[in-house]
Amino acid sequence: GQQLNQSPQSMFIQEGEDVSMNCTSSSIFNTWLWYKQDPGEGPVLLIALYKAGELTSNGRLTAQFGITRKDSFLNISASIPSDVGIYFCAGHRSRGGANNLFFGTGTRLTVIP
Amino acid sequence: NAGVTQTPKFQVLKTGQSMTLQCAQDMNHEYMSWYRQDPGMGLRLIHYSVGAGITDQGEVPNGYNVSRSTTEDFPLRLLSAAPSQTSVYFCASSTTGRKEFFGPGTRLTVL
Repeated sequence: GQQLNQSPQSMFIQEGEDVSMNCTSSSIFNTWLWYKQDPGEGPVLLIALYKAGELTSNGRLTAQFGITRKDSFLNISASIPSDVGIYFCAGHRSRGGANNLFFGTGTRLTVIP
Repeated sequence: NAGVTQTPKFQVLKTGQSMTLQCAQDMNHEYMSWYRQDPGMGLRLIHYSVGAGITDQGEVPNGYNVSRSTTEDFPLRLLSAAPSQTSVYFCASSTTGRKEFFGPGTRLTVL
């Protein structure tokens, strides 16, 4: 199946620091999405990106759709304790109406107060 | 709106048993999907549906059946549970198949 490589796998940062994570693929995607998952919960959509080069913000979160359409980046500024969780990237590719949404393996973020 | 709801939240099965995981959404979404989440592997698509009466296989469909008789409901059936099906199962829905809204998950253990 389609493999999305997400890095880093885990991060330990001090409260107030900025965070960067990325996702790369060998295939082109039409849409990139970033999700956050809290323990025992389902993933929650943070940001959706629809075209190459697009830069979109959601509060302290900023994500970019890579120019090659094979990668995406997520930045979190001034981290706070509630940012703790697992962040997943997902790429979507339309094919005759089929639902082709592929997920990365996740970045586990720990924020130290 | 309740969003996407799943039942049960936890389930333990013995090898060979069958069961159905329930999923419902009240957002009138056409697309519904089932994913499984295993440690270190992210989420993988099992089956999906683009509307009532239409279903298709995802990346890991073996051992699972689905049906979509209504827009709201999308049950996932395990025909003969195996230990390899121990996982956390998430149901999701969306309008276009892209921006998925996830349910809270069902944690399944097969002994």
